[in-house]
Amino acid sequence: GQQLNQSPQSMFIQEGEDVSMNCTSSSIFNTWLWYKQDPGEGPVLLIALYKAGELTSNGRLTAQFGITRKDSFLNISASIPSDVGIYFCAGPYSGGGADGLTFGKGTHLIIQP
Amino acid sequence: NAGVTQTPKFQVLKTGQSMTLQCAQDMNHEYMSWYRQDPGMGLRLIHYSVGAGITDQGEVPNGYNVSRSTTEDFPLRLLSAAPSQTSVYFCASSPGANTEAFFGQGTRLTVV
Repeated sequence: GQQLNQSPQSMFIQEGEDVSMNCTSSSIFNTWLWYKQDPGEGPVLLIALYKAGELTSNGRLTAQFGITRKDSFLNISASIPSDVGIYFCAGPYSGGGADGLTFGKGTHLIIQP
Repeated sequence: NAGVTQTPKFQVLKTGQSMTLQCAQDMNHEYMSWYRQDPGMGLRLIHYSVGAGITDQGEVPNGYNVSRSTTEDFPLRLLSAAPSQTSVYFCASSPGANTEAFFGQGTRLTVV
C-alpha cells in the first residue's frame, strides 16, 4: 500500500509558539484528514479536507490540502498546554482493493513550560 | 451521545486463547472498520465492513475474523491469540469508506 510520511516526528515547543507539521504521500489523495490522539484515548478528528488547495480552519488549527494532492499541512497557532498529544494525518487506503484509511506515524507535540 | 463504544478497555490473554472485541455505534453509519496501533506506528486497517452482511480484509487481516450481522455492531474475533497481536485496537465508523472516521476509545490487548 501507499506510504504516508509525516514530519517532524516530534516537536518540543514553548507555550504560545506556533506549530507546523506536514504529511506527504507516495500517491495522489482525494481526501486528507487530521486527527489528534490523547494518551489512552482514540483519535479525534480535527479537520477534513476534500479539495486540492483547500484551506480549512478549526479554531487555532488550520490545515491545507496541497495543490499536488500528495501533501497536506497542519498549523496550530499560539499553542496551549492542552495541545499536547499525537497528531496524525490520514488518507484513503488503496492497497489490494481494500477501502479504509491509511495513517502517518504521527507527530508528538510536547509543550515545555 | 455515545458514538462508538468498545469493550473491554483492557484485556490480557494467554497464547492460544480466543476472544472477541466488541464494537457498537449509534450513528447509523454503514461503514465500520477495525485498526491496530503499535508503538511508534500509525493505525493499520485490519478488517472493514461497508454494510450489514458485508466484510472484507484490510492491510493486516491475518489472525482476525469479523462479522456484521447488524448496522450497529462489528465484533473482532481473535481465534488463537499470539504475542504478535499485543496491541491497541480501535474500532471506527464513518458515513463512507474514505470519509471522516469516528473512533472508539480503544481496547488495550496483551497476549502473554
